[in-house]
Amino acid sequence: DIQMTQSPSSVSASVGDRVTITCRASQGISSWLAWYQQKPGKAPKLLIYAASSLQSGVPSRFSGSGSGTDFTLTISSLQPEDFATYYCQQANSFPSITFGQGTRLEIK
Amino acid sequence: QVQLQQWGAGLLKPSETLSLTCAVYGGSFSGYYWSWIRQPPGKGLEWIGEINHSGSTNYNPSLKSRVTISVDTSKNQFSLKLSSVTAADTAVYYCARGRSHKTLRGIYYMDVWGKGTTVTVSS
Repeated sequence: DIQMTQSPSSVSASVGDRVTITCRASQGISSWLAWYQQKPGKAPKLLIYAASSLQSGVPSRFSGSGSGTDFTLTISSLQPEDFATYYCQQANSFPSITFGQGTRLEIK
Repeated sequence: QVQLQQWGAGLLKPSETLSLTCAVYGGSFSGYYWSWIRQPPGKGLEWIGEINHSGSTNYNPSLKSRVTISVDTSKNQFSLKLSSVTAADTAVYYCARGRSHKTLRGIYYMDVWGKGTTVTVSS
């Protein structure tokens, strides 16, 4: 299986801050990476697919980049509604689809 | 606007079979991959498997021996069965719509999700 490792596991930030979350794959996965946002008690929400494509309806302050083994999710200016847990997901080893362990974004 | 509505038994005893169903409203049923994902309490996400409208399935190898996903195209529904459950199967189970390339299956993401069903396995 391809292991997905996110860093940091948690981060504290303030409204207006720029935040970057990293996801590293244990082997190359081309650009086949998705990012999700999950709030407590809710289902995950797709933010980014194919590493850098913004899902329809997602604010443009969210962006993704990377290819191969290293990927980033950037929130350019944090809004109060962005405090949540973020997960990356790969399917390069389909049907072994795997997620990162999650990054919890908290209010400072 | 596509919506997924899911239901099923929430409390099971060890060795029983988990059974959940997800109905798709407001959109096409064909052309997509219908997935199940679970999340143990306080933990991350685990993809369980998928089915398409033709009934073709793919399962996570780690769960394959216990999982069956089926489809009822007449009702735009798909279902999950997980046999011989233990406490380790306690989780919130989500259904979701999978988007994927027909041949490049490494391109896979889930863009519409159900609200989740909490399943507890306890004696």
